[in-house]
Amino acid sequence: GAVVSQHPSRVICKSGTSVKIECRSLDFQATTMFWYRQFPKQSLMLMATSNEGSKATYEQGVEKDKFLINHASLTLSTLTVTSAHPEDSSFYICSARFRQYNSPLHFGNGTRLTVT
Amino acid sequence: AQKITQTQPGMFVQEKEAVTLDCTYDTSDPSYGLFWYKQPSSGEMIFLIYQGSYDQQNATEGRYSLNFQKARKSANLVISASQLGDSAMYFCAMKAGTGANNLFFGTGTRLTVIP
Repeated sequence: GAVVSQHPSRVICKSGTSVKIECRSLDFQATTMFWYRQFPKQSLMLMATSNEGSKATYEQGVEKDKFLINHASLTLSTLTVTSAHPEDSSFYICSARFRQYNSPLHFGNGTRLTVT
Repeated sequence: AQKITQTQPGMFVQEKEAVTLDCTYDTSDPSYGLFWYKQPSSGEMIFLIYQGSYDQQNATEGRYSLNFQKARKSANLVISASQLGDSAMYFCAMKAGTGANNLFFGTGTRLTVIP
């Protein structure tokens, strides 16, 4: 069964509004979660690493003020897309590692964001 | 720096036949892990198989096997007895370095199984 839950699966919002996406680890604690973005027919690109109890680590070119990440507990990380614009429309997917270092990343089902 | 290359944007296979999806990688770290994920049209990423750089044997998981050729830096995925439900995008990914957590993904291969 799923070990990472992501919500919502789809969201449509108007330009200028903010959208929050939740990523939960189920039945395990995840001190680190990862947020990826995937454009149509492209690969997954890491946006940021979410660290429980500390600031997220953003990849080069990702605006930290636009993509706010909060990892307030060991089972929940949130990504907020602030002042969304149509170019932010994309598929956002989170992941967490279950158990040890070499275990695979488990992914949520993703969130398809459409900004009109 | 790490790099993952998947040179096949699309592949077709007849149902019940085997198919090989190519993946090459590059890293200077002696310790690394290689992963394959399946992404159906619904979007979720499904973990298929893992190969560690120090593993002596090729990984197998049911109908999935990984043809790991370390000297050639390749980690091809072999799917045996293809099924219609295998039609999806397949991504090769790598995690390199001690303590590294992130995965670097290839560009993916779209597999279509023909009935």
